[in-house]
Order: sequence, then C-alpha cells, then structure tokens
Amino acid sequence: GENVEQHPSTLSVQEGDSAVIKCTYSDSASNYFPWYKQELGKGPQLIIDIRSNVGEKKDQRIAVTLNKTAKHFSLHITETQPEDSAVYFCAAPGNTPLVFGKGTRLSVIA
Amino acid sequence: NAGVTQTPKFRILKIGQSMTLQCTQDMNHNYMYWYRQDPGMGLKLIYYSVGAGITDKGEVPNGYNVSRSTTEDFPLRLELAAPSQTSVYFCASSPGGTPKRETQYFGPGTRLLVL
Repeated sequence: GENVEQHPSTLSVQEGDSAVIKCTYSDSASNYFPWYKQELGKGPQLIIDIRSNVGEKKDQRIAVTLNKTAKHFSLHITETQPEDSAVYFCAAPGNTPLVFGKGTRLSVIA
Repeated sequence: NAGVTQTPKFRILKIGQSMTLQCTQDMNHNYMYWYRQDPGMGLKLIYYSVGAGITDKGEVPNGYNVSRSTTEDFPLRLELAAPSQTSVYFCASSPGGTPKRETQYFGPGTRLLVL
C-alpha cells in the first residue's frame, strides 16, 4: 500500500520568509496530492491540492509542486505570516481513500 | 450548513468502559471517515463508509466498531476502553464521486482520555 513520508516534522521561520515542506510517496499510480492545514484545536482543512497531470499549482501565497519521476511533492508558502502557524499534512491515495503524512508543525516568528 | 459536527468535545473514560462518539454531516456526502490523531503520528484511518449500510476497515480498526444506518450519521463505538485509545478522534466526510481525488471535510474532533 501507499506510504507517505513528510519532512521536516517541525519548522520555524521568520515572518516574511518562505517555508517549504516536502513529502514522498511510494505508489507510482497515485494521482492526487492534497495538503491540509490544522490550526490549534480544530480539524484539518484542505488548503491546496494537485493532480498528477500538472507539475505546479499556485493559490496566492501557497503553491504545490509535484515531481512524479522522483515521487515527491512539496508545499511552498511565501511571505509567511503569523496566521500561517499551524500543523500541515500531506496525503496521497492508498488502499483507503487517503494516507496522511505525520505532519509538520510550522511556527512563524514575528 | 453546519458541515461535520461531533459530540462530545471531550470525555474521560475509565478502563473497560464503553462509549459512542457521535458524528453527523449535513452536506449529503456519501463517504464518511473516522480518524484518530496521536501526537506526532498524523492521522490514522479507523473505519470508513461509502454509504448507508456499508462500512470498511481502515488502518487501525481494532477495539472499535461503526455503523451507518443513515447518510448523515456515522457513530464510532469503543468497547472496553484501553489507555492506548487515548487520542483525538476526527470524523470527516467527502462527496464520494471520486473519493481518492476529492476534499475531505473534517469535524472539530473529540478528545478522549482513558484512565
């Protein structure tokens, strides 16, 4: 089945800097890669996703890139703000609908 | 729309007790899911359902049971609670058209402590 590895587990950046979180997956047949953001005390919420027929997708300050050959995808957050502080999860399809990475705790320091 | 609602928000159980975690969605979604979230371990799928009357095991089903009698409700039953079941439990739903390529909508979670 699918195995999703996520790095780093924690990340601290200065406000205004960029943040990058990387995930690798094992099943070359996977074709959908979402990213979820979980704020303290809340459930995860989808922030961006990418399908296997494109290499990059942007939505304002966030972007996701996909390298199918290397089987990895990354979340890029530019001009980070304090409200970006949260736990971020990547995911990929597996035997069950989605397999999640272990999460990255992002702290944006003002 | 309220989205996905879960009750209770927090519960303390004694070892060996039983309880039901409630989950309701008002989006007419076909798919519903139960996850547990342990610190530093991400989200692990316990059970999921593709529609009323149909349930499937996820990655960590032992110690839990589910039922899906209606489209809206997907309760999770813990029998003989154990300390290893201390966790935060999230219910989620998705439309079910292409479940491996669609957004899952999560509830606010239930924090369970087993002592």
